Amino acid sequence: NAGVTQTPKFRILKIGQSMTLQCTQDMNHNYMYWYRQDPGMGLKLIYYSVGAGITDKGEVPNGYNVSRSTTEDFPLRLELAAPSQTSVYFCASSWSAGQGYGYTFGSGTRLTVV
Amino acid sequence: KQEVTQIPAALSVPEGENLVLNCSFTDSAIYNLQWFRQDPGKGLTSLLLIQSSQREQTSGRLNASLDKSSGRSTLYIAASQPGDSATYLCASRGADSGSARQLTFGSGTQLTVLP
Repeated sequence: NAGVTQTPKFRILKIGQSMTLQCTQDMNHNYMYWYRQDPGMGLKLIYYSVGAGITDKGEVPNGYNVSRSTTEDFPLRLELAAPSQTSVYFCASSWSAGQGYGYTFGSGTRLTVV
Repeated sequence: KQEVTQIPAALSVPEGENLVLNCSFTDSAIYNLQWFRQDPGKGLTSLLLIQSSQREQTSGRLNASLDKSSGRSTLYIAASQPGDSATYLCASRGADSGSARQLTFGSGTQLTVLP
């Protein structure tokens, strides 16, 4: 099925550990985004990409890094995990930034840092 | 900076009732507005997208309206069913090109439809 796939679905990290959250889409979308969702809150943008090789910071980028070597993949790297990074992470993609184009979201990665 | 607000945070209604969920935004310069449904522990499912030039969109029992001048959008659910129970999120897409016209989300309305 076409869509956005995120792995893993769940992960527990110890403080100071690092990990990569994987995101891949098979819709040939140019735009990809990483959001985090804290309990009872809306989603906040971490990083985004407008195409392979192009990434930029969103609202809450500290403690994260991204890369976009292909159109399909947009991994999110957490370095030196902290309890404040406990959250649900969503990857999303969009064909275009135009008016008629919405986002497609992955099912999320639930991360706990202890 | 765009701010999106959804009130109430939670709503409980009996089955069969028609209901309206509200979404307000501070900056009327939006490209579009999207309504999502989120089930517990799940991702976001897109319900409706309204372009800035449109007034409403309909899909089945759902109707979403957009009034940019007043900074408001509503999601109308007709003949509600227990299966409609979920959190509903609205998100506006900014008209400026910064952040690839990112979505700004409200914090959601948690809807419970009682059998």
